[in-house]
Amino acid sequence: EPEVTQTPSHQVTQMGQEVILRCVPISNHLYFYWYRQILGQKVEFLVSFYNNEISEKSEIFDDQFSVERPDGSNFTLKIRSTKLEDSAMYFCASSESRDTEAFFGQGTRLTVV
Amino acid sequence: KQEVTQIPAALSVPEGENLVLNCSFTDSAIYNLQWFRQDPGKGLTSLLLIQSSQREQTSGRLNASLDKSSGRSTLYIAASQPGDSATYLCAVPKGGSARQLTFGSGTQLTVLP
Repeated sequence: EPEVTQTPSHQVTQMGQEVILRCVPISNHLYFYWYRQILGQKVEFLVSFYNNEISEKSEIFDDQFSVERPDGSNFTLKIRSTKLEDSAMYFCASSESRDTEAFFGQGTRLTVV
Repeated sequence: KQEVTQIPAALSVPEGENLVLNCSFTDSAIYNLQWFRQDPGKGLTSLLLIQSSQREQTSGRLNASLDKSSGRSTLYIAASQPGDSATYLCAVPKGGSARQLTFGSGTQLTVLP
């Protein structure tokens, strides 16, 4: 069964460093998303991406964050100058169209020390 | 602003029992509602998606209902098993957006053998 794949599963980084989280969405899906979940809190929307551009972003998704689809299969989230409060589980998701089922990856646990 | 509430926050039942998880949302102008399962420290597994035109959706022992006008959905689990133990999340699109999902806090289900 097709699935969303995220790498790495766990990343530890020092405060102030840049990190890139990687995702391979399901191959025939056109919409891509990043969400995050801080430990013990709700899953929060960060950004959606369609047709090679951001279609929606939340207040969380400020200039520190950027997304890219560098080739036909990968979808990345870059976090510049990481802060302690960026520590969270980051989930990538994809869907075939805007109102169909969203499928999530297993997440990347980011720990900023 | 869309807000999603899930009741109860935690539920413990003996194996074999039928159970109902509740989800309510404040903005009824939704395209669909999605139920997910989350195991500890893991990703989100999609269980069911109900479109706004549907009232029910079934998958195996799971049945989800949607009452858009009252802003409510229920997830019915029949003949519960210890393997059903997980956190169950519901998510709806935020306001008029079909892409940006707003999640509830989840119901943590424990099925005792």
